[in-house]
Amino acid sequence: AIWMTQSPSSLSASTGDRVTITCRATQGIGNYVAWYQQKPGRAPTLLIYDGSILQSGVPFRFSGSGSGTHFTLTITSLQSEDFATYYCQQYFTFPRTFGQGTRVEVQ
Amino acid sequence: EVQLVESGGGLVQPGGSLRLSCAASGFYFYNYAMTWVRQAPGKGLEWVSSISGAGGTIQYADSVRGRFTISRDNSKNTLDLQMDSLGVEDTAVYFCAKDSAIAPFYFNSWGQGVLVTVSP
Repeated sequence: AIWMTQSPSSLSASTGDRVTITCRATQGIGNYVAWYQQKPGRAPTLLIYDGSILQSGVPFRFSGSGSGTHFTLTITSLQSEDFATYYCQQYFTFPRTFGQGTRVEVQ
Repeated sequence: EVQLVESGGGLVQPGGSLRLSCAASGFYFYNYAMTWVRQAPGKGLEWVSSISGAGGTIQYADSVRGRFTISRDNSKNTLDLQMDSLGVEDTAVYFCAKDSAIAPFYFNSWGQGVLVTVSP
């Protein structure tokens, strides 16, 4: 299996901050990475797919980059509604695997 | 608007069985692969199983292979997950998710989830 390691596991930030979350794959996966946001008690929602393509309706402050084994999710100016947990996921091969999640908390 | 509504969750004893269903609407169901993802209490997301649009290609996580069976009825726009030989480690919220294409890729719509609790 290809494992996805996210870092950090949690971070504290303030509204307006720039936030970067990293995801590393245990082997090369091209750009077959998606990023999801999940708020407590809710289902995840898709933010980014194919490593860097913004899902329709997602604010432009979210961006994704990377290929191969190193991927990043960046939020350029954190808003109050962005405090949540973020997951990366690879779809290069089965089993599909998710990172362990990054919780973005209010500082 | 895509809608995915799960049902069938509940409390079951270890060794028991449960069948989850997901009713889909708002899109051409047969054109998209479908997936089950679960989340144990306080934990991260775990992919469980995927089925292609026509149902001919099925994949399972090692943790459920041989115990869970995914299926779909394209005439009724429903996705099912038959869960047998349940263990406490299967306790989780189970999400039904719509894939981005006829083959499984990423998940662009999710249901609200249904709780499965396996406990003596």
